[in-house]
Amino acid sequence: AAGVIQSPRHLIKEKRETATLKCYPIPRHDTVYWYQQGPGQDPQFLISFYEKMQSDKGSIPDRFSAQQFSDYHSELNMSSLELGDSALYFCASTPPGFDEQFFGPGTRLTVL
Amino acid sequence: AQKVTQAQTEISVVEKEDVTLDCVYETRDTTYYLFWYKQPPSGELVFLIRRNSFDEQNEISGRYSWNFQKSTSSFNFTITASQVVDSAVYFCALSARDTGRRALTFGSGTRLQVQP
Repeated sequence: AAGVIQSPRHLIKEKRETATLKCYPIPRHDTVYWYQQGPGQDPQFLISFYEKMQSDKGSIPDRFSAQQFSDYHSELNMSSLELGDSALYFCASTPPGFDEQFFGPGTRLTVL
Repeated sequence: AQKVTQAQTEISVVEKEDVTLDCVYETRDTTYYLFWYKQPPSGELVFLIRRNSFDEQNEISGRYSWNFQKSTSSFNFTITASQVVDSAVYFCALSARDTGRRALTFGSGTRLQVQP
């Protein structure tokens, strides 16, 4: 069965650089969520999209932005990267009418 | 606001022992969902179970069982006859429905180490 795809799987950036993370939800899933998991911490909700519109916003820094495209893939754009942005970034998707969130493998971002 | 508490930060057991992971939640919503996810050392989040607030039936799936008690706001997870492959961090999570927010609020996780 198809799963959520995230790319890249690993990313190394310098401070003040920008990064773009991509998420391809499971086909026919209509909602995408982004989470950030710092080292030794639980995942924290950043932002979500339903049918290409932003549906909810969590603790997403102003330096970050995201969008969902017509093919339902989503991108998380991160600018002016800081050391504290080093984390595992998860994307999850849900099918219409259901609440199970299926998570991708995550993108591990390291900011040096 | 929602809150999930997993008071056990780390548990170590010997293979074949039974182990229970505790989860206590807080929400003002009357409709909500509770989840358990497993995060093995490889890092991915694996969905284990979802339970809605109107269904207090306990569930068993192989060696896994879940006990949901609304009276104590708890959703505990028991692994019977633990195995080394069960070693992982386990997260309990809550999704509230009344406010329309579907995002998950996670507990801080319980690291389970199963020794051979």
